[in-house]
Parts: sequence; C-alpha cells; structure tokens
Amino acid sequence: AQSVTQPDIHITVSEGASLELRCNYSYGATPYLFWYVQSPGQGLQLLLKYFSGDTLVQGIKGFEAEFKRSQSSFNLRKPSVHWSDAAEYFCAVGRMDSSYKLIFGSGTRLLVRP
Amino acid sequence: NAGVTQTPKFQVLKTGQSMTLQCAQDMNHNSMYWYRQDPGMGLRLIYYSASEGTTDKGEVPNGYNVSRLNKREFSLRLESAAPSQTSVYFCASSDPRGGGGSDTQYFGPGTRLTVL
Repeated sequence: AQSVTQPDIHITVSEGASLELRCNYSYGATPYLFWYVQSPGQGLQLLLKYFSGDTLVQGIKGFEAEFKRSQSSFNLRKPSVHWSDAAEYFCAVGRMDSSYKLIFGSGTRLLVRP
Repeated sequence: NAGVTQTPKFQVLKTGQSMTLQCAQDMNHNSMYWYRQDPGMGLRLIYYSASEGTTDKGEVPNGYNVSRLNKREFSLRLESAAPSQTSVYFCASSDPRGGGGSDTQYFGPGTRLTVL
C-alpha cells in the first residue's frame, strides 16, 4: 500500500538558517509528489509538485524539493528561513490509478527562532 | 474568485446530534474531497466525488455520508455525532486534466468540529 513518511514531527531552526524537511514515500509506480504548507488556523496551500522531468522542482516562497527515486525521497529545502515560514508542512503522494486521491504524511511542524 | 469555501468555521455538537458541513467551489472543478485532520495523523480522506453524480468512500468513511449536490457543492453529513469525530474537516477540489493523481487539490479553510 502507498504511504508517506515524514520522520520529523517538529523542527526548530533559526531565522536565516537553511532548512530541509524530509519525506519518504512508498509507491509502486512513478509517483506524483506534492508539498503543502498549513499556516495556523488556515487551510493547506500548495508549495510545489513533481510529476516528471527535472527532479529538482521550484515552488513558491523560495522553496525547492528534489525527487530521488533511488532513495524514495522528496525532501523540501529552503536556503534561508524567514519567521513567516513557521507552519506545518505536509508531503503527499498522488495515486495514479482509477481514483483521484492524495495520501498525506503526518506533517512536520516548523518553528523559527528569531 | 473565492476558491473553496466551507461553512460553518466552528461547530460544537453534543453526542448524537446531527449536522451537515457545506462546501462549495467556484473553479469549475470536477472532483471534490472531504478530509479530516487529527494531530499527528496528517489528513485522511473521508469521501470523494470524482465527478458530479458520483461519490466514493475514502480511508475513513464510517459515521459520515456525503452528497454531491451539483458540480459546485459537496456536503458532508454526520448523522449521529460521536466524540471520536472531533476534528478539523477540510474540503478540497481538483481538476484532473492529467488523469489519476496528477492534479493539484485546492483546499478550503476548514471547519473545526467539537463533539461533547
């Protein structure tokens, strides 16, 4: 069965430091991969997505993610974190079968130290 | 362009009461979804509607029913609320032009439901 693992429940970084959030997936075919961000009390906003092609994808707010098939990973990165990046981040994999579904990881909460 | 809207934003119910969560989208999307979000568990799919007139169960459908009223609206009903249904509920919509799971889902702001 498909699954998504985000091994870090919480991550704390200092403002201006670099960030990497980990995501590993289990899926038999080529996955469609997504990163969403959820600010406190808000819905989910798409940061970026990978369907095919270049394995390094750029998203909004200065985020990028790299798809590594050999490691079944799709880690999210940002070179310099801003205080406004404090939020919860969700990785998801899209199913390519007859149904239109996303399977979400459990999320990583990012805290930013001033 | 409001995107995906949900009502109400907050609700408190007593065990056994019923209620309907409303969702509407103005993006002309074919597919709509209901998720629940619980701490440490991410989002779990309750029901979805691939297109107008069709609905299917997701991962956690027990205790819920849905209605795809038209292309814009997709409601979620709790017939007899239980404390285990205390959660944040999100509606989403998508337009699967690429087929399968390649489409982007757009989310509403959520409904925070407490069942006492």
